[in-house]
Amino acid sequence: QSALTQPRSVSGSPGQSVTISCTGTSSDVGGYDYVSWYQQYSGKAPKLMIYDVSKRPSGVPDRFSGSKSGNTASLTISGLQAEDEADYHCCSYAGSYTLLFGGGTKLTVL
Amino acid sequence: EVQLVESGGGLVQPGGSLRLSCAASGFTFSGYWMTWVRQAPGRGLEWVANIKQDGSEKYYVDSVKGRFTISRDNAKNSLYLQMNSLRAEDTAVYYCARPVTAASIDPFDYWGQGTLVTVSS
Repeated sequence: QSALTQPRSVSGSPGQSVTISCTGTSSDVGGYDYVSWYQQYSGKAPKLMIYDVSKRPSGVPDRFSGSKSGNTASLTISGLQAEDEADYHCCSYAGSYTLLFGGGTKLTVL
Repeated sequence: EVQLVESGGGLVQPGGSLRLSCAASGFTFSGYWMTWVRQAPGRGLEWVANIKQDGSEKYYVDSVKGRFTISRDNAKNSLYLQMNSLRAEDTAVYYCARPVTAASIDPFDYWGQGTLVTVSS
């Protein structure tokens, strides 16, 4: 039950695109299409942004997109906005009704 | 409106116990898997435990097995986490969370505000 691997930080300028990776194993990310991404502002509860690898809940801007290749999932944010500056956490189903989160990535909008 | 409100956090000495509660409202609580997720200061999220709708199945992260017990009272629309033999590394904000659909364990579209547990002498 080791945490999924995310970069500690990423940054980008307004209008640019950034991609956050989330690397696991064939027992979690690579084995199921059940990867989700959460946005979290400091001191606040997480908010669901992407689920089932690439699906967006209603209300989430289409600037946010998800994908997966092998054991690595990715969250791409295009047309960066200042309000996107937050922490982002990936989560994967890991079998037997268990879940694994990543260590979280801090996104800075320059 | 769906609401999840945690309570019961606080300062406890190593080896001590604490019971967290999560009061749910605005949805059919008995129809959903429920989950506890924690976040240590400055760290990422960590799945802790989940429980099936009728309480018949419970699953835990390895680091809390044998020390924590998740339970629920559907008549009271409440979720609980009994934490025993607490360690410094259990210090975290604990969130209860509800999945998007009743049949699945995740993803989570509703979260509580969190309750802080501090384990320190």
